Formats: sequence, C-alpha cells, structure tokens
Amino acid sequence: EIVLTQSPGTLSLSPGERATLSCRASQSVSSSSLAWYQQKPGQAPRLLIYAASSRATGIPDRFSGSGSGTDFTLTISRLEPEDFAVYYCQQYGSSPPSLFTFGPGTTVDIK
Amino acid sequence: QVQLVQSGGEVKKPGASVKVSCKASGYTFTSYGISWVRQAPGQGLEWMGWISAYNGNTNYAQKVQGRVTMTTDTSTSTAYMELRSLRSDDTAVYYCGRVGGGYCSSTSCPRGWIDPWGQGTLVTVSS
Repeated sequence: EIVLTQSPGTLSLSPGERATLSCRASQSVSSSSLAWYQQKPGQAPRLLIYAASSRATGIPDRFSGSGSGTDFTLTISRLEPEDFAVYYCQQYGSSPPSLFTFGPGTTVDIK
Repeated sequence: QVQLVQSGGEVKKPGASVKVSCKASGYTFTSYGISWVRQAPGQGLEWMGWISAYNGNTNYAQKVQGRVTMTTDTSTSTAYMELRSLRSDDTAVYYCGRVGGGYCSSTSCPRGWIDPWGQGTLVTVSS
C-alpha cells in the first residue's frame, strides 16, 4: 500500500501570501496519478488538481500542482480569504486492493 | 450538471447494518465508477472501496473487507454502500464520488480522481 505523508501539518499564512504544500509517497506513484482536494468545514471535498498538475474545471489559476514519482506539491500563488481550508492529496495509481489512499491533510489557516 | 445526492443521516446501534444510497444525475451512470470515502469526526479522509457502474466489479479497502458491500442499480442510476456489524468507530460522514479518468468499457474501467462528491451522509453508531 502506498502511504502518503503531507507537510506541514498546519500552515499559518496571511491573505496574499504564497502557500506551498507538500505530499510525499512511500513509493513511486505511477503515471503521476495524484490528485489534490480542498475541504472546508461542513462541506464535501472539492477536486482541485488531478494527474499531478491538471486543474479541475472551474478552479482558479492561482492553484497549481507539480511533481512526479514520490514528491508532489500544491502551490497557491496568492491566498484569497476563501482558500483557508484543509487540503488532501490522494493517489489513485495503485493495484488492488488498495486502489486509492489519502494523505492526512494540511490545514491552511489565517495567521 | 453532474450531481450525486446521498440519503439522509442514520443512527444505528452497534452490531447493526446501514445502507447509504447515492443517486447520480447529469451523466451516463454506467460510464463511470463510484468510490466511497468516509471521514470520522475531526479526522481525515479514508477510502473504503470502488465499484464499476458498468459491470459491478468492486475493490474494497482491507480495513472494511468482509463487512462492506457496494452495489449499483442502473435502472435508477443509484449506488449503494452497505456496512454491517457496525462499531462505534464506524461513526463518520460517508461520501460517494464519481471516479474520473475516462469511460468504463467491457475491457477496463478507469480508477482516477474523485469528482464530484456527494453531500455526505452522517452515520452515527451508538448504543
């Protein structure tokens, strides 16, 4: 099973600042099969990035994803007030039974 | 628009079973898989399993294997997740989500990202 580790656990920043979130996999993620989600309190997760670097429909271009192999990054170029939330990475390139795994999440909160 | 609407919250006693539904609209139901993910209070996301709406093939996470059954009803475009022998640590919000990455066919059903997600169903297990 591929284990995902996210860092930092919490990122305290101000609006307008740049956020850099890391997701590291215990083994190589095939075909860059990695997604990023945003979750706000009381809401379902929302897809931001798939295939490591492709933005989902309707996602602002201040969100970008990069990386391959075992190291992936989500960057928010300039934080807007609505961006303060929890962010999860997810890999979907494994073979059964553990097709998908999620990282533990990074909380981006207001400094 | 693509939408997944889940059934309402449930309160169950330990040892009971729960069945959560997820009704899809806005797309051809049998062309995609559905994943189920749960989130315990204050915790992260935990993948539970995947089902192809094309042919009913499933893959379950080892943690719930043997207690979970995922099915679909293509006549109503609805997916179901049944969890048996409930324990207090099964208390969580349960989400369904459409699995992206391409269309399902007789030869394969892509297992990609999850988008969109249902609104979630709170299942509370308490004596």
